[in-house]
Amino acid sequence: DIVMTQSPDSLAVSLGERATINCKSSQSVLYSSNNKNNLAWYQQKPGQPPKLLIYWASTRESGVPDRFSGSGSGTDFTLTISSLQAEDVAVYYCQQFYSSPGTFGGGTKVEIK
Amino acid sequence: QVQLVQSGAEVRKPGASVKVSCKASGYTFTSYYIHWLRQAPGQGLEWMGIINPNGGSTDYAQKFQGRLTLTSDTSTSTVYMELRSLRSEDTAVFYCARVEYCSSTSCLLGAFGIWGQGTMVTVSS
Repeated sequence: DIVMTQSPDSLAVSLGERATINCKSSQSVLYSSNNKNNLAWYQQKPGQPPKLLIYWASTRESGVPDRFSGSGSGTDFTLTISSLQAEDVAVYYCQQFYSSPGTFGGGTKVEIK
Repeated sequence: QVQLVQSGAEVRKPGASVKVSCKASGYTFTSYYIHWLRQAPGQGLEWMGIINPNGGSTDYAQKFQGRLTLTSDTSTSTVYMELRSLRSEDTAVFYCARVEYCSSTSCLLGAFGIWGQGTMVTVSS
């Protein structure tokens, strides 16, 4: 199975400041034939299921604010919240869907400083 | 709108079984695989298995082989997850989910855009 490792485990950011979350896969999730990274990011708030934010590593899901952006390729990926809002307090997960089983990172908890 | 609605919370004793339902609406039930995942308290997400509602074929994560059964009922657009021989470590929220964006090779795998609300299963003596 592909192992997904997120860092940091948690971070506290001031309102309006940038938050950066990293995700590393144990093998490349880039499918060379179509040049797509099979990597997604989710946001999960307490008591709710995960919400898809980003797929193909950098494509924002419909309705997701543009302060959320994804980048990276191969094995190293980043989720950036450009200007943290109070409603962004949550746990964020990366997921690879390159090979079965789709595996998730351990999560990064984002809080307000 | 597209929805997956799960059955309510359950409490079981160790060694018992639990069956959780996931009712789909707003789309053609047989056109999308349904996955099951679980999340232990304070922990991350773990994939359990997948069912094709069109025909009922299944695939399970190795750690659940022999304990997990996924079934579907096309007449009610409902998928069921049964986990047997429960132990305390199975205490978790169980989710059904549908792939919204397929992987580069197959729609058996992908980014999950539709989730059920989750069902808490508590295993305690």
